[in-house]
Amino acid sequence: TQLLEQSPQFLSIQEGENLTVYCNSSSVFSSLQWYRQEPGEGPVLLVTVVTGGEVKKLKRLTFQFGDARKDSSLHITAAQPGDTGLYLCAVLRGSTLGRLYFGRGTQLTVWP
Amino acid sequence: GAGVSQSPRYKVAKRGQDVALRCDPISGHVSLFWYQQALGQGPEFLTYFQNEAQLDKSGLPSDRFFAERPEGSVSTLKIQRTQQEDSAVYLCASSLTGELFFGEGSRLTVL
Repeated sequence: TQLLEQSPQFLSIQEGENLTVYCNSSSVFSSLQWYRQEPGEGPVLLVTVVTGGEVKKLKRLTFQFGDARKDSSLHITAAQPGDTGLYLCAVLRGSTLGRLYFGRGTQLTVWP
Repeated sequence: GAGVSQSPRYKVAKRGQDVALRCDPISGHVSLFWYQQALGQGPEFLTYFQNEAQLDKSGLPSDRFFAERPEGSVSTLKIQRTQQEDSAVYLCASSLTGELFFGEGSRLTVL
């Protein structure tokens, strides 16, 4: 069993559609991060959520941290081809700041 | 450039060969991390340096894996006697205040 379960694993949609991807766990976390990774690139940090119930917006992306701090969702409004990529959630593990545990990710493809 | 630089970008090795992967972090970043990303997986932590000190190497999968950062800047990840299961993208990240900045990775294929 993975510490972080991401769903769906793959998502293929048309430009202009809305979508939501999920990151779930049975553990409680002090914070959770979302990254986007494009082909041939390293992951890039999108957001860090810290407070249960917190909602953060980044242009057309809306991130929510669950009230119990066990899960998170990422909602994209009016998806564009530039949103294509692997979306990863991650949490800190252990005492080393920067030692992250990543989920397997959701591979999003947005077709024009 | 101003980002994390990794080389080589691609490496093909025959099983049993030794490989060395280089990471040049963002100037001034004290912390440096190595991660391994297998196909279809998220990155997995390998090791962590603070300046030249290797403070956490608990993620290294076997004693064939060795990392160093002798002068607190450039780091090298060495894999001895490569095996097919070592095929993956090796990501380096550096940090100053906690946020990780990743390089583009080195893709290792072991035949």
